[in-house]
Amino acid sequence: DVKVTQSSRYLVKRTGEKVFLECVQDMDHENMFWYRQDPGLGLRLIYFSYDVKMKEKGDIPEGYSVSREKKERFSLILESASTNQTSMYLCASKPGARGQPQHFGDGTRLSIL
Amino acid sequence: AQSVTQLGSHVSVSEGALVLLRCNYSSSVPPYLFWYVQYPNQGLQLLLKYTSAATLVKGINGFEAEFKKSETSFHLTKPSAHMSDAAEYFCAVQGGNQFYFGTGTSLTVIP
Repeated sequence: DVKVTQSSRYLVKRTGEKVFLECVQDMDHENMFWYRQDPGLGLRLIYFSYDVKMKEKGDIPEGYSVSREKKERFSLILESASTNQTSMYLCASKPGARGQPQHFGDGTRLSIL
Repeated sequence: AQSVTQLGSHVSVSEGALVLLRCNYSSSVPPYLFWYVQYPNQGLQLLLKYTSAATLVKGINGFEAEFKKSETSFHLTKPSAHMSDAAEYFCAVQGGNQFYFGTGTSLTVIP
């Protein structure tokens, strides 16, 4: 089974802090994704990466950056956390071929105070 | 451009009754379609996927979905609801390297 591991299930930070969310997958998948999930809005794509050191902006990249130095790890960075970034963050990975499903981690519930 | 619409943000059914969750898609190319389930405080788990091999797709936990090109629909069904089916369900379509998710349907099962 594919395992996507997010470093924290719950995280509390303060406004203005730089926040790092880590995601690791163990199946050598080419593609990795970061979403945020908010009630009534479903999943919104922040960034995705289709290869090491490659990244593409999703629908809501403002206030976020990402890093993919190794194939198995995809990090989401909140440059200066704000209260409107309080949310559930989900990481996913998939093989590069079309038609393959995404596999999700358990999520990080982030609160910015 | 690809998109997904899920009709009904909340659906309630009695235990043992038919479950029907609706999904309509928009895609400029033959679509790859997916249904996911999310239990509280967990990530999304794949229920089933359509990749053009067969229009009726069977998934896990007794769920199935039928691809209807003429109606641009991919509705999820289960003949008999179980209490453990209470969760949030998401329909998704793949476009390029991205997935486009619906806003989800929360399923309540009434004992």
